[in-house]
Amino acid sequence: KAGVTQTPRYLIKTRGQQVTLSCSPISGHRSVSWYQQTPGQGLQFLFEYFSETQRNKGNFPGRFSGRQFSNSRSEMNVSTLELGDSALYLCASRLASDTQYFGPGTRLTVL
Amino acid sequence: QKEVEQDPGPLSVPEGAIVSLNCTYSNSAFQYFMWYRQYSRKGPELLMYTYSSGNKEDGRFTAQVDKSSKYISLFIRDSQPSDSATYLCAMSSTGNQFYFGTGTSLTVIP
Repeated sequence: KAGVTQTPRYLIKTRGQQVTLSCSPISGHRSVSWYQQTPGQGLQFLFEYFSETQRNKGNFPGRFSGRQFSNSRSEMNVSTLELGDSALYLCASRLASDTQYFGPGTRLTVL
Repeated sequence: QKEVEQDPGPLSVPEGAIVSLNCTYSNSAFQYFMWYRQYSRKGPELLMYTYSSGNKEDGRFTAQVDKSSKYISLFIRDSQPSDSATYLCAMSSTGNQFYFGTGTSLTVIP
């Protein structure tokens, strides 16, 4: 069974731009969560989607948003990029109240 | 206070050593405990999953949970250079939202 895939793997943007990241979960997994990983803060939870509905949300500003499609694929959008948004963005999928399986991440650099 | 505390290391050990990695937490409602391994420029990979207290063993890896002390550990026996990675602990109370430690960087020297 294929794992979680994320595209693109690397992105370079400038301040003020917006970006959209994509995640395809493991087949059959309906829950998709997004995390931001930085050296100082570690893994921080952004939000979780289940059956196209946002189920949980972390403490991030409204510039960070997401959505999930009927095929469980998910996108995350960050608007008005700031230098501090440079990070590894990880997507994780799971079947139910179970462990998460992570994708390889998208490394975003904001200049 | 963070929900989960983890010593960032770095930790450097010779090949064959026993490695002990630890996390402490503050939320007594946590009952799902996980350890992930993350290689450089890769996503975290699930190593061990434990529900509630007790020990779990898988090959060279043993996970321990002590809920009374709010302390979890991962032991790696006969450590190998391929074990060099960052190890993340994670936990959850409901299985719906997960809290991660910041990770411990481990280097196993041949």
